[in-house]
Amino acid sequence: EAQVTQNPRYLITVTGKKLTVTCSQNMNHEYMSWYRQDPGLGLRQIYYSMNVEVTDKGDVPEGYKVSRKEKRNFPLILESPSPNQTSLYFCASSYAGGGETQYFGPGTRLLVL
Amino acid sequence: GQNIDQPTEMTATEGAIVQINCTYQTSGFNGLFWYQQHAGEAPTFLSYNVLDGLEEKGRFSSFLSRSKGYSYLLLKELQMKDSASYLCAVRPKAAGNKLTFGGGTRVLVKP
Repeated sequence: EAQVTQNPRYLITVTGKKLTVTCSQNMNHEYMSWYRQDPGLGLRQIYYSMNVEVTDKGDVPEGYKVSRKEKRNFPLILESPSPNQTSLYFCASSYAGGGETQYFGPGTRLLVL
Repeated sequence: GQNIDQPTEMTATEGAIVQINCTYQTSGFNGLFWYQQHAGEAPTFLSYNVLDGLEEKGRFSSFLSRSKGYSYLLLKELQMKDSASYLCAVRPKAAGNKLTFGGGTRVLVKP
């Protein structure tokens, strides 16, 4: 089954404790992206990747890191989480061409205390 | 800058029609997407417009006017399961697949 998976689905942590949210897709997509979704603000892009070893900042990259060592995986790293990073996070993937729909993972709900 | 506007919330009756408008002002335009998102779930693709005009897909249709920076999503024969948020997203650049999203429109379908 074609899908994007994320882990964990729910996470409660404390300020400053490094965490990683994993994202994996089995569709051989070149393009992968991370979004956060907050009430009233919609989906905002954090980072994206056009292909292996090619990553770039989205609209709200501060406080986040990513890596793309393999085509299927695109982990999101929070080196020192803060309460303002409490949010719902979605990973998405697609082929890189124009008009290709993005497939979203199920979401990771993060609470930083 | 990028600006995408859609109404926050709409209410309609089962069996009726609802039109969700989206206006955009972006640094470039290479297509507009509509996604449906049920509460607590991932967005799912509904439609894609890159040329002016109407695209019809069953009960859902999407319209685009590039000169006016305007799109709408039309939902016909509303069903209770259509209660969800509807997200308008613009692809500003030709390269890559970066999307800029509006805040979403929450549609409540009443019996």
